[in-house]
Amino acid sequence: NAGVTQTPKFQVLKTGQSMTLQCAQDMNHNSMYWYRQDPGMGLRLIYYSASEGTTDKGEVPNGYNVSRLNKREFSLRLESAAPSQTSVYFCASSEWGTDTQYFGPGTRLTVL
Amino acid sequence: QKEVEQNSGPLSVPEGAIASLNCTYSDRGSQSFFWYRQYSGKSPELIMSIYSNGDKEDGRFTAQLNKASQYVSLLIRDSQPSDSATYLCAVNIRDNQGGKLIFGQGTELSVKP
Repeated sequence: NAGVTQTPKFQVLKTGQSMTLQCAQDMNHNSMYWYRQDPGMGLRLIYYSASEGTTDKGEVPNGYNVSRLNKREFSLRLESAAPSQTSVYFCASSEWGTDTQYFGPGTRLTVL
Repeated sequence: QKEVEQNSGPLSVPEGAIASLNCTYSDRGSQSFFWYRQYSGKSPELIMSIYSNGDKEDGRFTAQLNKASQYVSLLIRDSQPSDSATYLCAVNIRDNQGGKLIFGQGTELSVKP
């Protein structure tokens, strides 16, 4: 099992460009999450999906959209990237009701 | 007030000593508590979970929970240089979608040989 996978690993964008971060899990988990991590800020929840077909905003959703494509895949889209979105992005998954989350390797995004 | 608070550190301990990491939380309804370890440039990995008041031991790690004081801690005995990492405390928040975790900002631990 690969667990949680994320693509790409690194990305550099110019201000105003768009991109989609991909996440997939092979653990048959119902719930999936997107976080961003900035120095000294810990992990902040952007969006989450408790189950296929549902999505909800987290702590810092502005500037992002998500799609729960199926049970395995949960993508994060930046429509018009801004330098403030420079961060490391982590995807995670969990079985509904267990709270234990498993993380992907992360995407390091720089917006110039 | 932040929902989950940790001292950011860095916390420096000599090799072989006990490292004590602390976390407080604000939601009295929280039922699940987690400690994640994160090496520089890597993703968080779960090292301990605790759900009931008291102590839970796993090898050199002991998690302690006191719900009345809204306090959870992690003790690392016989600290090794390989324990040098950032430790993240996470607490569950229940909502109508099932729940989510709120993370503290992390405590950086440095174990000196």
